[in-house]
Amino acid sequence: EIVLTQSPATLSLSPGERATLSCRASQSVSNLLAWYQQKPGQAPRLLIYDASHRATGIPARFSGSGSGTDFSLTISNLEPEDFAVYYCQQRSNWPPITFGQGTRLEIK
Amino acid sequence: EVQLVESGGGLVKPGGSLRLSCAASGFTFSTYSMTWVRQAPGKGLEWVSYISSSSGYIHYADSVKGRFTISRDNAKNSLYLQMNSLRAEDTAVYYCATGISVAVNYFDYWGQGTLVTVSS
Repeated sequence: EIVLTQSPATLSLSPGERATLSCRASQSVSNLLAWYQQKPGQAPRLLIYDASHRATGIPARFSGSGSGTDFSLTISNLEPEDFAVYYCQQRSNWPPITFGQGTRLEIK
Repeated sequence: EVQLVESGGGLVKPGGSLRLSCAASGFTFSTYSMTWVRQAPGKGLEWVSYISSSSGYIHYADSVKGRFTISRDNAKNSLYLQMNSLRAEDTAVYYCATGISVAVNYFDYWGQGTLVTVSS
């Protein structure tokens, strides 16, 4: 099973700042990694797939990078609605499909 | 408009059973694989089960293997999860999800979730 480790667990930033979230895989997942945003009481929302492709309707301030075992999600110029929990997910070696434990992005 | 609507959650005693349903609309259900993902209260996302479009391929997480059964009825545009021998650790919001504009096993559409509580 591929383990995804996200860091930091919590990130405290202010609106207008830049956020960088990390996801590390226990073995290579090539570029088969996605990022999701989840707000309280809501289902997850797909942001990025194949490591760097924005999903339909996702603003350009969200970008993904990385391959192999190290990945990043960058949110430039944070908006108030961006404060949420973010998860990475791999589909390279499955079953099982695995998710990271999440990074909480909170307002400083 | 794509819609996934889960139902069937509720309170059940340990050892009991429950059947979740997911009603799909707005897309050609029979051509897409479907997945159940769950989220325990205050915790992260956990993949539960996968079923291919024609039900030819089915997979389960080790945590539910032998207790849960995924199925679908393409004529009724519906996905199901039969959950038996329920345990306290199965308490979670259960989401059905699929990938329509993205590759298999990425999920760009999710239901709103249905809460399953296993408690005596």
